[in-house]
Amino acid sequence: QLQLQESGPGLVKPSETLSLTCTVSGGSISGSSFYWGWIRQSPGKGLEWIGSIDYSGSTYYNPSLKSRVTISGDTSKNQLSLMLNSVTAADTAVYFCGGGITGSPIASWGQGTQVTVSS
Amino acid sequence: QSVLTQPPSVSAAPGQKVTISCSGSSSNIGNNYVCWYHQLPGTAPKLLIYDNSKRPSGIPDRFSGSKSGTSATLGITGLQTGDEADYYCGTWDNSLSSWLFGGGTKLTVL
Repeated sequence: QLQLQESGPGLVKPSETLSLTCTVSGGSISGSSFYWGWIRQSPGKGLEWIGSIDYSGSTYYNPSLKSRVTISGDTSKNQLSLMLNSVTAADTAVYFCGGGITGSPIASWGQGTQVTVSS
Repeated sequence: QSVLTQPPSVSAAPGQKVTISCSGSSSNIGNNYVCWYHQLPGTAPKLLIYDNSKRPSGIPDRFSGSKSGTSATLGITGLQTGDEADYYCGTWDNSLSSWLFGGGTKLTVL
């Protein structure tokens, strides 16, 4: 059973880069059976897909965030990372990482981590 | 404004049935599988339905999903107070090359 845990700074200054890590256990991020994603939820709002990465390292991004987002994986640590640059207050949200079987929706989620953008 | 349209809220009494709709277009629901999540306050979403109507292991058969054309529906029977949550539909959009979530529906069990 996949288990995921997000980590990273809870406070980021405007115009800086948000950087989060997701540690995965119960499955290899390079395993062909899986893919991984980041989703966020602004205060009182709905879910927003940020992007995904598959076992081969291919990435897929939300068009509205594509110019600012990078998702990557570190197979030696079995970790995923999310980088979002030039952040503003609108990027304040709970950030979730998730994993799923290739061809199916994300079924395993981390608990989420709150990130606030403020000076 | 979400590409996938859900009603902001629905309500029903304990023991009753409720349905939640998710309306899209041919570039998303019309040509892709739909899934449904529910989310309790302060927790991560939980997958309820995938591939339009399949239930992951451990999800009771009180939850059902269907799709017709460019719309999908989540049904919940035998409502319990524990079902009070936000419900989201999701699918891929071929035109946007993006995963989409609906705007979410808050279920109140009166």
